[in-house]
Amino acid sequence: DIQLTQSPSFLSASVGDRVTVTCRASQGISSHLAWYQQKPGKAPKLLIYAASTLQSGVPSRFSGSGSGTEFTLTISSLQPEDFATYYCQQLNTYPPTFGGGTKVEI
Amino acid sequence: QVQLQESGPGLVKPSETLSLTCTVSGGSISGYYWSWIRQPPGKGLEWIGYIYYSGSTNYNPSLKSRVTISVDTSKNQFSLRLSSVTAADTAVYYCARANPDYGDFDDYWGQGTLVTVSS
Repeated sequence: DIQLTQSPSFLSASVGDRVTVTCRASQGISSHLAWYQQKPGKAPKLLIYAASTLQSGVPSRFSGSGSGTEFTLTISSLQPEDFATYYCQQLNTYPPTFGGGTKVEI
Repeated sequence: QVQLQESGPGLVKPSETLSLTCTVSGGSISGYYWSWIRQPPGKGLEWIGYIYYSGSTNYNPSLKSRVTISVDTSKNQFSLRLSSVTAADTAVYYCARANPDYGDFDDYWGQGTLVTVSS
């Protein structure tokens, strides 16, 4: 299975901060990567797919980049509703796998 | 607006079979892949498997010997069966829709249902 390693696992930030989360794959996955946001007690929400394409309705402060083995999720100006856990997922090789998550806290 | 809703027992005894159903409303089950994903309490996400509306399936090898996913297009439902469960199978189970417009990533999710394995 392809391993996805997210860093950091926890991130403390303030409203207005620029935040970057990294996801590294154990082998190349082209651009077959997505980012999800999960709030406590809720299902994950698809933010970005194909590494850098914003899902419809997702605010433009979210962006994704990367290909191959290294990917980043950036929130340009953190808003109160962005405090959540973020997961990357790859679909290049079955089975699909998720990163361990990055919890963004105040 | 597509909605997914998981249903099934919240408590299953060890060695028995976990059975869940996902009902899709607001859209047809046809034309999409439908996934099951789980999340142990306080932990990360694990992909269990998917079924295409036509019935073809793909399972996580780590669970393949115990998993069966089926679809009933007449009821707009798909189901998960996981046999010989242990405490390690305690998790929130989500059903989701994989959308080819989004690279087959899951764009609609159910709210999730907690299944506890305990005697």
